[in-house]
Amino acid sequence: AQSVTQLDSQVPVFEEAPVELRCNYSSSVSVYLFWYVQYPNQGLQLLLKYLSGSTLVKGINGFEAEFNKSQTSFHLRKPSVHISDTAEYFCAVRSLPFDYKLSFGAGTTVTVRA
Amino acid sequence: SQTIHQWPATLVQPVGSPLSLECTVEGTSNPNLYWYRQAAGRGLQLLFYSVGIGQISSEVPQNLSASRPQDRQFILSSKKLLLSDSGFYLCAWALQGGSEQYFGPGTRLTVT
Repeated sequence: AQSVTQLDSQVPVFEEAPVELRCNYSSSVSVYLFWYVQYPNQGLQLLLKYLSGSTLVKGINGFEAEFNKSQTSFHLRKPSVHISDTAEYFCAVRSLPFDYKLSFGAGTTVTVRA
Repeated sequence: SQTIHQWPATLVQPVGSPLSLECTVEGTSNPNLYWYRQAAGRGLQLLFYSVGIGQISSEVPQNLSASRPQDRQFILSSKKLLLSDSGFYLCAWALQGGSEQYFGPGTRLTVT
């Protein structure tokens, strides 16, 4: 079975500063990796995904993430945040090849201040 | 394009009352369907998933049940709600053989 650990539960950051959200996973097989964002009282929106190929993945809203197989990590970054990036961010993993389910981390709340 | 609907958006129910939450997907056929619960300040807990009509897998033994009466309809039910059933319920779908899941807008359930 796979599991996901998001190392920071809350990340305060000033507007236009960079941010990094850390995610580590454990799995005995190959995985797909995802980052989702949730704005208050809304569903989850896919930010980006890693399936295969280049370990640096670019997503929507200027976010990117890097897959590191040796460290079993998938950290999310943005070089300059906006107030509108205030939200909760979830890392998720899916084991291959036949698992239909995603396992989610506990989430990281990002609060961007002016 | 595909869309996913959930209703109601919010619901306040007394303890011991029944529950029915509905999720429908448009624009695709034979999707995998999922129900999650998100308790306050916590991550997402997978409750049920379905890979086809009438096929339901339960992840957590509890006070809830799920049904899939039609290809693109997924229903979450309870005969008697508990206080601990309060939370934000999310439905999601995925393509058969696809990688990611797509989430609905959610239902906020408060059991009083």
